[in-house]
Amino acid sequence: KQEVTQIPAALSVPEGENLVLNCSFTDSAIYNLQWFRQDPGKGLTSLLLIQSSQREQTSGRLNASLDKSSGRSTLYIAASQPGDSATYLCAVRRGGSGNTGKLIFGQGTTLQVKP
Amino acid sequence: EAQVTQNPRYLITVTGKKLTVTCSQNMNHEYMSWYRQDPGLGLRQIYYSMNVEVTDKGDVPEGYKVSRKEKRNFPLILESPSPNQTSLYFCASSFFRYTDTQYFGPGTRLTVL
Repeated sequence: KQEVTQIPAALSVPEGENLVLNCSFTDSAIYNLQWFRQDPGKGLTSLLLIQSSQREQTSGRLNASLDKSSGRSTLYIAASQPGDSATYLCAVRRGGSGNTGKLIFGQGTTLQVKP
Repeated sequence: EAQVTQNPRYLITVTGKKLTVTCSQNMNHEYMSWYRQDPGLGLRQIYYSMNVEVTDKGDVPEGYKVSRKEKRNFPLILESPSPNQTSLYFCASSFFRYTDTQYFGPGTRLTVL
């Protein structure tokens, strides 16, 4: 059974710091991994999608890496800003015959960037 | 603008009163699904649909129904809501290619008294 874990559960940093959020998964048979941002009481905004054949994806100040063999992904945020404060969720899409399109989510990391 | 819309965004109801949460997407996606989000439990899939008239259960389908009569719409039906269905509900859609991003709606916050 695929399980997704995100560490830490919460993180508080001063503005301007570079930071790394971690995501680990137990089954390497995935199609892709997606990072989302969720603001309090709001919907999920897709940040980056990494296919299983890819090692990383970049969008602006965000860089996500994927090491499928070790079951790990990281989301790197450069030069953090108060507007980055949100909960960040990673989700994997199971591969192979078990692919129903379902995303399996981690519990999220709640980030606070202090001015 | 490409988007997934849900209605209503907020709903307070009483036990046993049937309700429907609508979901619509304008991206011609084949795949649609419903998730619920609860503190400590995260996001869990309720039902999904791979195309018109094709639906199947996710991880937590009890107490819910869905239908997919049109490609763009995927309503979630609670025929007899109970307090344990108080939750934040999300609809999602994508093309059913394994490479594709899933897009989420803004969420529906449901309270069942």
